[in-house]
Amino acid sequence: KAGVTQTPRYLIKTRGQQVTLSCSPISGHRSVSWYQQTPGQGLQFLFEYFSETQRNKGNFPGRFSGRQFSNSRSEMNVSTLELGDSALYLCASSSYSGHYNEQFFGPGTRLTVL
Amino acid sequence: SQKIEQNSEALNIQEGKTATLTCNYTNYSPAYLQWYRQDPGRGPVFLLLIRENEKEKRKERLKVTFDTTLKQSLFHITASQPADSATYLCALASYNFNKFYFGSGTKLNVKP
Repeated sequence: KAGVTQTPRYLIKTRGQQVTLSCSPISGHRSVSWYQQTPGQGLQFLFEYFSETQRNKGNFPGRFSGRQFSNSRSEMNVSTLELGDSALYLCASSSYSGHYNEQFFGPGTRLTVL
Repeated sequence: SQKIEQNSEALNIQEGKTATLTCNYTNYSPAYLQWYRQDPGRGPVFLLLIRENEKEKRKERLKVTFDTTLKQSLFHITASQPADSATYLCALASYNFNKFYFGSGTKLNVKP
């Protein structure tokens, strides 16, 4: 089985712009979660989607949003980028909803905001 | 909010020894605790999950303990190998899964 894929792998944006990141889960997985990883804050949960519905959400501002399509692929959008949004954005897929289940992480998208 | 503490300093051990990593938490009682391994430039890889009513879990050379009284989990790698060198993260999940927190990780260096 192919693993979780994320595109693009690297991205450079400037403050005020918006960005969309994409995640393709493992075939058959219906849950996709997004995480932000920074040296200062570590790995932080953004949100989880299951069957096109947002199931859980972390403590991030409304500038961070996401969606999931009927084929389980997911996109994450960040509007009005700030310097502090520079981070590695990871998505993870699992068969079922909930963090009880084993999650499979993608390689991440490295976002740099200038 | 939840606070999770893992040793910020790297753990250096000799090949063949047992590595023990610590995860301490405060402020709430998680239903589940997970351990992940992360290599540089890659996403975390799931290793083990332990529930609050389980004291210990094993998988090959890995062992995890969960002490809800001490609010602590210990992660052991026996007969460690240089290939075990990586950053190890613990993560806590609440019963209804709407809260999920990662620790900052501990870097393990296994020297040959």
